[in-house]
Amino acid sequence: TQLLEQSPQFLSIQEGENLTVYCNSSSVFSSLQWYRQEPGEGPVLLVTVVTGGEVKKLKRLTFQFGDARKDSSLHITAAQPGDTGLYLCAGSHHSGGYQKVTFGTGTKLQVIP
Amino acid sequence: NAGVTQTPKFQVLKTGQSMTLQCAQDMNHEYMSWYRQDPGMGLRLIHYSVGAGITDQGEVPNGYNVSRSTTEDFPLRLLSAAPSQTSVYFCASSFSRLGGYTFGSGTRLTVV
Repeated sequence: TQLLEQSPQFLSIQEGENLTVYCNSSSVFSSLQWYRQEPGEGPVLLVTVVTGGEVKKLKRLTFQFGDARKDSSLHITAAQPGDTGLYLCAGSHHSGGYQKVTFGTGTKLQVIP
Repeated sequence: NAGVTQTPKFQVLKTGQSMTLQCAQDMNHEYMSWYRQDPGMGLRLIHYSVGAGITDQGEVPNGYNVSRSTTEDFPLRLLSAAPSQTSVYFCASSFSRLGGYTFGSGTRLTVV
């Protein structure tokens, strides 16, 4: 059972376009993170959001945590070829004995120069 | 800073062999996890630890064992390798129960 569903799975856009990636769940999360992964490397943390409705900006990237803490979005303005990569959302939740972090299925983004 | 160090980077095993994937972090993080990454499946949690001596199962624990005797080290043991365990394995650590992991560079394992 996949707790976190990401959409779209694949996205190919031209340089300069805007895009939004979504991360949805029926579960409530204590926090949600976004990572970017490049081929052959481990994921790199971009942001952590904790409060429902929270919005964080990282240069051209805007992250939002849903009011109910069940979903999140990542918006990229004026995409650059350097934004190419696999974007993963991950949620921290209490399951069994302890807090654990579960990842979404990922969105593979290609930005064409 | 070294961050999270995983060894080996590549490994080929025969079915039935056992091995240990090593993971060490130098950030004094309490939280550590092992994930496997397969095409189209994202990252799936195998085992995790919330401190030395405390471990718990993730989504796909079968065929793997872990222990956490020190804060720094969190090895993953494959008991009897199977082709279904062919994957890329990532170790990650965090200072917070809310996530925000630092990942190692991964171990690419092939079981033939």
